[in-house]
Amino acid sequence: AQSVTQLGSHVSVSEGALVLLRCNYSSSVPPYLFWYVQYPNQGLQLLLKYTSAATLVKGINGFEAEFKKSETSFHLTKPSAHMSDAAEYFCAVNFRDDKIIFGKGTRLHILP
Amino acid sequence: AAGVIQSPRHLIKEKRETATLKCYPIPRHDTVYWYQQGPGQDPQFLISFYEKMQSDKGSIPDRFSAQQFSDYHSELNMSSLELGDSALYFCASSNSRGGAMNTIYFGEGSWLTVV
Repeated sequence: AQSVTQLGSHVSVSEGALVLLRCNYSSSVPPYLFWYVQYPNQGLQLLLKYTSAATLVKGINGFEAEFKKSETSFHLTKPSAHMSDAAEYFCAVNFRDDKIIFGKGTRLHILP
Repeated sequence: AAGVIQSPRHLIKEKRETATLKCYPIPRHDTVYWYQQGPGQDPQFLISFYEKMQSDKGSIPDRFSAQQFSDYHSELNMSSLELGDSALYFCASSNSRGGAMNTIYFGEGSWLTVV
C-alpha cells in the first residue's frame, strides 16, 4: 500500500545544531515528494520538492532534502537551526495520481 | 505573485447550520483541491476538481459538497454542521499543463469553528 511516514511527532534541537526530520514512503514507483512547513495558525508553505531530477534538493530558508530510492526516504535537513525554524513540518507525497498525501507531521522545537 | 485566496478566513457556525467556503486559485491554474486539517492533525484530502469536473474524492462526508465554476473558483458547501467539523480548511491549486509534476500551492486556509 502507498503511504508516507514521518518518524517522530516532536523533534527538539538546540539553536545552531543540525536539523534532521525523517520521512519515508512506501510505493511501487518513486513518487513526487515535498516538504511543507506550517507556522502556528498559518497555512502550508512549500519548502522544497523532488520531481525525479537531482536527488539532492535545496529549498528555502537553508533547508535541503535528499531522495534515496534504496531507502525510500526523503529526509529534511538544515545545517544550523534558527529559532525561527520552530514550526510543524509535513512530508507530502504525490503517488503520481494528482493529489498530495501528507505525513502526520513533525513539530520542530528549537532550544535556546 | 498571486496566491490561492480563500474566504472567509474565519467562520463560526452553530451545529446543524450550513457553511460555504470559497477558493480562488492562482491565475491559469485549472485544478483545485480541498483539504481538512483538524486540531493537531495532518491535512486530509477531501476532493479535487479539474476543469470544473470532479477529478478525485477523498474522505469527504456526504454532508459536504463542492464544485468548481467556469472562472475556476471553487466552493465547499458544508451542511448539518457537527462539532467535529471544526477545522482548518485548505484550498490548493495547480496547473495541470505545467509539466511532469505540477506543484500544488496552498491558500492560508479558512478556520471553521462549530459551536
